[in-house]
Amino acid sequence: GQQLNQSPQSMFIQEGEDVSMNCTSSSIFNTWLWYKQDPGEGPVLLIALYKAGELTSNGRLTAQFGITRKDSFLNISASIPSDVGIYFCAGHLTGGFKTIFGAGTRLFVKA
Amino acid sequence: ETGVTQSPTHLIKTRGQQVTLRCSSQSGHNTVSWYQQALGQGPQFIFQYYREEENGRGNFPPRFSGLQFPNYSSELNVNALELDDSALYLCASSQQGADTGELFFGEGSRLTVL
Repeated sequence: GQQLNQSPQSMFIQEGEDVSMNCTSSSIFNTWLWYKQDPGEGPVLLIALYKAGELTSNGRLTAQFGITRKDSFLNISASIPSDVGIYFCAGHLTGGFKTIFGAGTRLFVKA
Repeated sequence: ETGVTQSPTHLIKTRGQQVTLRCSSQSGHNTVSWYQQALGQGPQFIFQYYREEENGRGNFPPRFSGLQFPNYSSELNVNALELDDSALYLCASSQQGADTGELFFGEGSRLTVL
């Protein structure tokens, strides 16, 4: 079945540092998405990417849809304590009924 | 605009029992998906409901079943509970016509099976 591999599994950084995480798949997707989950909450959509090669920003977050359609990365610039949480990549095929999630990257930010 | 709401937030059951979890979709959304999130893992797709019918299913046994009602709200039922069913169960709503994978999640129902 389709699987998404996220790396790194966890990151410990200082406030103000930039962060980079990525996601790869053995299958292609039409849409790549990045979600963030805070403790005790459901995942919240951060960025959605719809075209291969697309680079999209949302404030301090920037994500790219890989040219091969099998990978994506997420960058966070100038991290702050509220960036702490679990970041999930997800892929979706047009006409499909499910969105598939990676295992997550756990981000810890030290003030 | 009302977001996705789930109930109950926490519950404890014993092995062999049955459980029903409930979800109200975000206003304007007609599709509901259910996900299981085990501790330390990403959400795993259980099934999706659209127009009161199961629209697709992940790799879960038949003892996981669901319903969708005319107002688009939904239930997840799990029979013959097993210890491994302990997880956060997430409901997500979306607009069927969008077909983008963009999901709007509730806070989840945390099920513990003893």
